[in-house]
Amino acid sequence: AQSVTQLGSHVSVSEGALVLLRCNYSSSVPPYLFWYVQYPNQGLQLLLKYTSAATLVKGINGFEAEFKKSETSFHLTKPSAHMSDAAEYFCAAVKYSSASKIIFGSGTRLSIRP
Amino acid sequence: DTAVSQTPKYLVTQMGNDKSIKCEQNLGHDTMYWYKQDSKKFLKIMFSYNNKELIINETVPNRFSPKSPDKAHLNLHINSLELGDSAVYFCASSQWAGTTPMNTEAFFGQGTRLTVV
Repeated sequence: AQSVTQLGSHVSVSEGALVLLRCNYSSSVPPYLFWYVQYPNQGLQLLLKYTSAATLVKGINGFEAEFKKSETSFHLTKPSAHMSDAAEYFCAAVKYSSASKIIFGSGTRLSIRP
Repeated sequence: DTAVSQTPKYLVTQMGNDKSIKCEQNLGHDTMYWYKQDSKKFLKIMFSYNNKELIINETVPNRFSPKSPDKAHLNLHINSLELGDSAVYFCASSQWAGTTPMNTEAFFGQGTRLTVV
């Protein structure tokens, strides 16, 4: 069965520091992978997606993620955190099939210290 | 122009009542979903529809009945509401992975915060 694991329910970094949010997937076949961001009282917004075209994926707001098949990982990074990055981040996966569904990780809350 | 819109945004109701949440998308997608987000922010799929046909029903109680009059709309009706139904419900849409796997990302509505008292 396909699953998505996000390590760390809460990550806190200083403004200007590196952001690293971890995501691992469990699947015999590499799925398509996504990172979403959820700001308070809002819906989910797509940050970036991996669809096997390139292992390093760049997204909006300066975020990027690298797909590593050997580690079954898709970690999200940003070189320099900004206060506006404080939000909940979700890693998600979908496998190509007739009954595709998007499976979400449990989420990581990112806090930014001034 | 809002891509995926749901109404209402907030819904407060008493136990035992019946309520509906409406969802519409103007993205031309053929697949729509309902997700439930609990108090710990965990997102769980409830239903998915492809071209008005039910594709996925994730063992959701029969009190929840989705209805898709056309591929741009997916409404959720809930009978006999219980305290445990309190959550944020998100509607989403995407292209169906069966035809366009490269564009399977979902676009989400703003959510409906349901509070059962």
